[in-house]
Amino acid sequence: AQSVTQLGSHVSVSEGALVLLRCNYSSSVPPYLFWYVQYPNQGLQLLLKYTSAATLVKGINGFEAEFKKSETSFHLTKPSAHMSDAAEYFCAVSDQGTDKLIFGTGTRLQVFP
Amino acid sequence: DAEITQSPRHKITETGRQVTLACHQTWNHNNMFWYRQDLGHGLRLIHYSYGVQDTNKGEVSDGYSVSRSNTEDLPLTLESAASSQTSVYFCASSAGQKNSPLHFGNGTRLTVT
Repeated sequence: AQSVTQLGSHVSVSEGALVLLRCNYSSSVPPYLFWYVQYPNQGLQLLLKYTSAATLVKGINGFEAEFKKSETSFHLTKPSAHMSDAAEYFCAVSDQGTDKLIFGTGTRLQVFP
Repeated sequence: DAEITQSPRHKITETGRQVTLACHQTWNHNNMFWYRQDLGHGLRLIHYSYGVQDTNKGEVSDGYSVSRSNTEDLPLTLESAASSQTSVYFCASSAGQKNSPLHFGNGTRLTVT
């Protein structure tokens, strides 16, 4: 069965510092992987998705993620954090290649001035 | 712009009452989903539908039901509300391709007292 594990329920960084949010997946089929962001009192918005076209995926707001099959990872990074990046981030994997998503437990990113 | 609208945004109800949460999308998507979000669990799939008259159970479907009488709407009903169903509920839709992103509503916060 497919699953994702997000390491660290909370991550704190200073403004301008590197952001690294970790996601490891388990999948019996080639995975489709997604990162979503949730701002307070809002629904989830798609940041980026991996669909096997390229291992380095660029998303919105300067975020990117690298698919590493050997490490079963899909970590999210941003070179320089901005205060507006403070939110909760969810990694997700498609269930058996369908559009049903299985979500991780989320990582709350705090950005300090 | 196309969107997903959930109503109400907040609801307080008593144990044992029947509650219906509305979800309306203007994306013209065939696929619609209901998730619940709880601390430490991320988002978990309750029910989903791949078209009119089609409904399917998700991971945590006990105590919930849905019906799909048209493309735009997928109401979620709690037959007899329980305190364990206090949560934030998200509706989502997708175009139905295997790597299609989900488009989310802004959620309904339900409190069962």
